Amino acid sequence: NAGVMQNPRHLVRRRGQEARLRCSPMKGHSHVYWYRQLPEEGLKFMVYLQKENIIDESGMPKERFSAEFPKEGPSILRIQQVVRGDSAAYFCASSPGQGSGANVLTFGAGSRLTVL
Amino acid sequence: DAKTTQPPSMDCAEGRAANLPCNHSTISGNEYVYWYRQIHSQGPQYIIHGLKNNETNEMASLIITEDRKSSTLILPHATLRDTAVYYCIVKGYGGSQGNLIFGKGTKLSVKP
Repeated sequence: NAGVMQNPRHLVRRRGQEARLRCSPMKGHSHVYWYRQLPEEGLKFMVYLQKENIIDESGMPKERFSAEFPKEGPSILRIQQVVRGDSAAYFCASSPGQGSGANVLTFGAGSRLTVL
Repeated sequence: DAKTTQPPSMDCAEGRAANLPCNHSTISGNEYVYWYRQIHSQGPQYIIHGLKNNETNEMASLIITEDRKSSTLILPHATLRDTAVYYCIVKGYGGSQGNLIFGKGTKLSVKP
């Protein structure tokens, strides 16, 4: 079991470009979560998705950020028109779903976005 | 979700037990206590969780007081690789699952 796979591990973008971060959950997990960690700060929840549905996007910035988890393929976190403040580590996690195990998340290694 | 309070930092000698405390005095009956850790620059790692009974797995033990207002994570034989920030999180399931509030945690330094 390869665990949660994120790519790219490192991404450099110039201001105004788009960033796309991909996440493949653990085999058998249909629940995906995205978190952001700004430099020297704690992890912040962004969004929770199940296949083809956004369940909770209460932590997503209102503009420029979007997430999807299509029926086939990885979950994508998309950041349009990036700004320097978007520079951060973006972590994806997955879980098996219901009950107390719903909050037992397996995290990926993260994607580190640097905006020049 | 109930708020948790942890000491900002702790030291532990290699090979000794590391006991990390957490206060969660406002915990409600259906909320679990979860522990995660984050080794520098890596993704967080789930350690253990429990409701009211003490729990043990291959990584650690979790001791929850009878009134459930506090808990202790025990790493029985700490190694240098256990140096990390440890997060105590209280959360029920259903509703906003997976929306975990990672506070500042306890920075554990295991020293040789």
